[in-house]
Formats: sequence, C-alpha cells, structure tokens
Amino acid sequence: GENVEQHPSTLSVQEGDSAVIKCTYSDSASNYFPWYKQELGKRPQLIIDIRSNVGEKKDQRIAVTLNKTAKHFSLHITETQPEDSAVYFCAASRGTGGFKTIFGAGTRLFVKA
Amino acid sequence: NAGVTQTPKFQVLKTGQSMTLQCAQDMNHNSMYWYRQDPGMGLRLIYYSASEGTTDKGEVPNGYNVSRLNKREFSLRLESAAPSQTSVYFCASSTLAGDTGELFFGEGSRLTVL
Repeated sequence: GENVEQHPSTLSVQEGDSAVIKCTYSDSASNYFPWYKQELGKRPQLIIDIRSNVGEKKDQRIAVTLNKTAKHFSLHITETQPEDSAVYFCAASRGTGGFKTIFGAGTRLFVKA
Repeated sequence: NAGVTQTPKFQVLKTGQSMTLQCAQDMNHNSMYWYRQDPGMGLRLIYYSASEGTTDKGEVPNGYNVSRLNKREFSLRLESAAPSQTSVYFCASSTLAGDTGELFFGEGSRLTVL
C-alpha cells in the first residue's frame, strides 16, 4: 500500500538557522505533495504544497523541493524563528481532490532562541 | 463560517461501548475524511468520502464504520470500542474543484477507551 516516510522525527535548531525535513513516498502515482504544520493542541494547517510537474516552490522563508524520479520531497525553512516550533507533516496524494492523502509520521521542530 | 465542526471534543468510553463522532462542514466541500492521530505515528486515514454517496477505506479502517449523511456531514462510528482506539480523531474536508488539495481540519475529538 501507499506509504510516506519522514525524517527526522525530531529536529532542534538555533534561531536563525535553517531546518530541513525529508520525505519519501512509495506510490508512484502520487502527484500532489502538501506540508502541514501543527502547533501544540491545535489542528494541522497547510503551509505549502507542490505538484509533480513542479520541481521547487518557495513562499517567503519556506520552500519545497520534489524529486519525482527518486520519490523524495523536502521542506526547507530558512531563518528559523521560535514561532516555527511545531510538528510538521509531509503528505502525498494522487490528486488534489477526492483522493486519499497519506501522511508521514511527523517531525517535531524546536527552534531555540 | 465555522469551517469543520466536530462533536464531541472529549469522550471517555468503557471497552465494548459504542459511540459516534459527528462532523459537519459548511464550505460546500465534496470530499470528507476521518483521521486518527497517535504519538509518533502521524495522521492515519481511517475512511474517506470522495463525494456524497461514496465512502472508501483508508489505512486503518478496522473497528470503524462511517456514514456520509449528506454533503455536509460525515460521521464515524465505533461499534465496540477497544483501548487501542484511544486517540485524537480529526475530521477534514476538501474541495474537488480547483488547484488546491488542501485539507481543512476540525479541532479534533479526544477519545479515551478504558
């Protein structure tokens, strides 16, 4: 079945440093890759997404890259701030509507001031 | 707009009891989902409904049933609760149209089975 693996499970960085979270997926039919942020006690919320016809997408301090051949995609956060501390989830889906979205196990990011 | 509303927010059950988690969305979305969240295991899909009138199994459907009551509502039922079903349950919805596959989540329902 479909599977999404996410690494690392925990990441601690100093404020201002960069953070990178990596994911791999097993379903070669996947073509939509969203990233969600979940703050403590809150619901997950989308922060950025990428489609398989795009190799990289950037939105201010966050960027995602996709290597469809290797079935890898990554989240990059630059100039980290304490408010970036949260759990981040990668996910994969075969489409943007009506398809099941499979999530990775999550990465708990700590940004130390 | 309330978005996605789940009830109840908290529930304690004894092993063998049954209960239904209710979910409603007011965003006119076609697709709805139920996930469970356990420490270290991320969000695992239980069931989803791509559109009104259809439901499909996700990654961990055993022990659960769902009903897509209408376009707005998607309920999750535990017929005979087990301690392994202690978890936080999230309902989510998404649109079929447009470029985004964003899932809009409810606030979650924390279920404890003793």
